[in-house]
Amino acid sequence: GDSVTQMEGPVTLSEEAFLTINCTYTATGYPSLFWYVQYPGEGLQLLLKATKADDKGSNKGFEATYRKETTSFHLEKGSVQVSDSAVYFCALHHSNYQLIWGAGTKLIIKP
Amino acid sequence: DTEVTQTPKHLVMGMTNKKSLKCEQHMGHRAMYWYKQKAKKPPELMFVYSYEKLSINESVPSRFSPECPNSSLLNLHLHALQPEDSALYLCASSQGRGATNEKLFFGSGTQLSVL
Repeated sequence: GDSVTQMEGPVTLSEEAFLTINCTYTATGYPSLFWYVQYPGEGLQLLLKATKADDKGSNKGFEATYRKETTSFHLEKGSVQVSDSAVYFCALHHSNYQLIWGAGTKLIIKP
Repeated sequence: DTEVTQTPKHLVMGMTNKKSLKCEQHMGHRAMYWYKQKAKKPPELMFVYSYEKLSINESVPSRFSPECPNSSLLNLHLHALQPEDSALYLCASSQGRGATNEKLFFGSGTQLSVL
């Protein structure tokens, strides 16, 4: 069945460091892919998405490219801030109303 | 208004209590969801309402009873819960057809503790 695998955390970086959070997926067909972020004490919010191969989603300095050949959707940011500390979830659209979620990666940014 | 509002933010209940969680959105969305999230885990889908009709029930125990009184409101009625039901309960909404690129809007959740 469809699945999403994320790198285990926590990931700890210093402010202004380069960020990569790996996400790979297994799916039949070509599902839409998402990154959601959950800040402490809050619900999830969509960070970015891509709906077909080679699409690049971007938002708030974060980027991810839908790579069909490597079945990946890695999240990147060139210079992280303390305010980026959160849990990041990779997800794919499975069927009507259903998302398959990765386990989540906690990101800690130190000043 | 792009908010999904959930009340209460925190709830402590005994195993014999009956309580309800409430969710409201005014974005004109026609799909509304209940998720359960345990600490350090991804959210687990419980129920989906589409156009006020229950579309998905992920084999949730009957002690959880959803209700969708109208397109803006979603309730989750709780009765005879168990301590393992303690979790963050998240409400979400989306435009409505479950399309592949549909964005979910989440509320901040209700942190539920069952004693």
